[in-house]
Amino acid sequence: DVVMTQTPLSLSVTPGQPASISCKSSQSLLHSDGKTYLSWYLQKPGQSPHLLIYEVSKRFSGVPDRFSGSGSGTDFTLKISRVEAEDVGVYYCMQHIELWTFGQGTKVEI
Amino acid sequence: QITLKESGPTLVKPKQTLTLTCSFSGFSLSASKVGVAWIRQPPGKALEWLALIYWDDDKRYSPSLKSRLTITKDTSKNQVVLRMTNMDPVDTGTYYCAHRQGVWERNDYIVYDFDYWGQGTLVTVSS
Repeated sequence: DVVMTQTPLSLSVTPGQPASISCKSSQSLLHSDGKTYLSWYLQKPGQSPHLLIYEVSKRFSGVPDRFSGSGSGTDFTLKISRVEAEDVGVYYCMQHIELWTFGQGTKVEI
Repeated sequence: QITLKESGPTLVKPKQTLTLTCSFSGFSLSASKVGVAWIRQPPGKALEWLALIYWDDDKRYSPSLKSRLTITKDTSKNQVVLRMTNMDPVDTGTYYCAHRQGVWERNDYIVYDFDYWGQGTLVTVSS
């Protein structure tokens, strides 16, 4: 099984300041097709999760450009360039090279 | 516009079988490269993927729960059903269904995993 480990598990941020979340996988997420299957989701309080980033760094439709993803192999990062109040919630990374596995989640609060 | 909605019992007894239905609109589960997944979330805890069914009836299950899960689809009704046997209080949580699709965009094949989610349904396991 592919294990996803996120750090930190909680993060207190100041509006306008940057924030960063790390996600590490127990094995490489680089597929033989050349793509890396790592996605990021945000679950706002009381809501269902929604897709932010796919294939490590590609923003899903409608996602603000203050969100960016980076990384390769087993180490990945989600960055928010300038945190806004609406960005609070729990962020999850997820691998889908071998079935699907989520990280433990990182709670972001202001 | 793609929408999904989960339905089923809110309370089940230990050892009973849970049956959940995901009713969707805005896409067809007979279209190539489309799938629907079930994902759950215990109260205050992380997301856990359970099962996924593809347009061609191929199915995938979480290895840890495989013996207890069955996922099926009814394309004519636009529904996906998840059955989970031998329910236990640790299975309490919110159960979501989510859409998955693979598409060609500008000569690149993109897989959007869980790009649309239902609102979730809370299931409590208690005697």
